[in-house]
Amino acid sequence: GNSVTQMEGPVTLSEEAFLTINCTYTATGYPSLFWYVQYPGEGLQLLLKATKADDKGSNKGFEATYRKETTSFHLEKGSVQVSDSAVYFCALSSNTGNQFYFGTGTSLTVIP
Amino acid sequence: GAGVSQSPRYKVAKRGQDVALRCDPISGHVSLFWYQQALGQGPEFLTYFQNEAQLDKSGLPSDRFFAERPEGSVSTLKIQRTQQEDSAVYLCASSLTQPGVSGNTIYFGEGSWLTVV
Repeated sequence: GNSVTQMEGPVTLSEEAFLTINCTYTATGYPSLFWYVQYPGEGLQLLLKATKADDKGSNKGFEATYRKETTSFHLEKGSVQVSDSAVYFCALSSNTGNQFYFGTGTSLTVIP
Repeated sequence: GAGVSQSPRYKVAKRGQDVALRCDPISGHVSLFWYQQALGQGPEFLTYFQNEAQLDKSGLPSDRFFAERPEGSVSTLKIQRTQQEDSAVYLCASSLTQPGVSGNTIYFGEGSWLTVV
């Protein structure tokens, strides 16, 4: 089946620290992979995506590389800001399912 | 419209009351999804429409939950005889084409926050 596992939170970092949020997946077929961000009181917003192995998605300084050999799509940012404080969700879409599959979310708090 | 629009944003219902949640997807989007998000959790799939056809309702938790999209655009999620465990954020999302099409992206509304008292 299809599923996403992401690292437990919460994560607390100081401003300008390096961020990694781990995400691994299980999928049948050929999935597309996504990271979504949810700010307090808001819906989920697409952060970045990758559609095939070795693709790198990037946006707002965040990056994630689709690694088929390790079935991973880890989110990274070199220098986080207070405004990056939010909950981050890893997700996949597969041609063998009727839905997008989400991880449980990782809460990030960045302190000045 | 420019984005997915949901209403009401906030709803307080007395236990046993029926509620209806509305979703206006992005214009032209074929696929529409409903998800349920409990506090501190990720979105959990409820149901999926392709145009007006409800192709998957495997995530609906009970027969008190019903969704429709009669003209392939606006959708309504109805919850009958609400219970306290129904309290959650109900997220609607749409996408241009079917799930699994390479690169097809799902876009979310801001959610309808339901509290059952």
